Amino acid sequence: QSALTQPPSASGSPGQSVTISCTGTSSDVGGYNSVSWYQQNPGKAPKLMIYEVSKRPSGVPDRFSGSKSGNTASLTVSGLQAEDEADYYCSSYADSMNLLFGAGTKLTVL
Amino acid sequence: QVQLQQSGPGLVKPSQTLSLTCAISGDSVSTNGAAWNWIRQSPSRGLEWLGRTYFNSKWYNDYAVSMKSRVTINPDTSKNQLSLQLNSVTPEDTAVYYCARGYLQKGFDPWGQGTLVIVSS
Repeated sequence: QSALTQPPSASGSPGQSVTISCTGTSSDVGGYNSVSWYQQNPGKAPKLMIYEVSKRPSGVPDRFSGSKSGNTASLTVSGLQAEDEADYYCSSYADSMNLLFGAGTKLTVL
Repeated sequence: QVQLQQSGPGLVKPSQTLSLTCAISGDSVSTNGAAWNWIRQSPSRGLEWLGRTYFNSKWYNDYAVSMKSRVTINPDTSKNQLSLQLNSVTPEDTAVYYCARGYLQKGFDPWGQGTLVIVSS
């Protein structure tokens, strides 16, 4: 199975909102409410930001939100802050007990 | 607070076995239903789930189909840790390897600090 499709880059000014998409198929994103989003800073491990499409782990600011429509999931960061600049990865459970990741989106805060 | 501390060699020769360990604090590798995973990340292959071990009345292991023939993940209850063994490595296995708690359906949290493993003679 192919990786999930994410835009390589996204950007926004402080205070603005940015949405990052993650496109899969009916065998993964569209077939399960099992999309997660991770934030990764250089040289660090990924950090879980969203799980099960739209749930936030404890400690994650409510500026981060997730949604899904059909085969495409989205991560929205509202009220952008400089500290949000990082790489963001989506993942989805897939058929036959498989897990797919996106190639990542570099978010730049202008 | 759960913390994962990884250890293991950063250089492995081609055809040999890559071995890493992940020490768990703040939780138990034997916690019923908690899954402990290995994931790797490389520029060429991106993030890739390798497999997991978990205890649910008995021990279970699941592996990614693409890795199944070469990977072994074992719990060590006496040391509260888990291990990864990847056999017959090639330069394609060069990556940062992470351990993490979690589920395929619910995401992984937390993660270990990562170990860069280079496969080279």
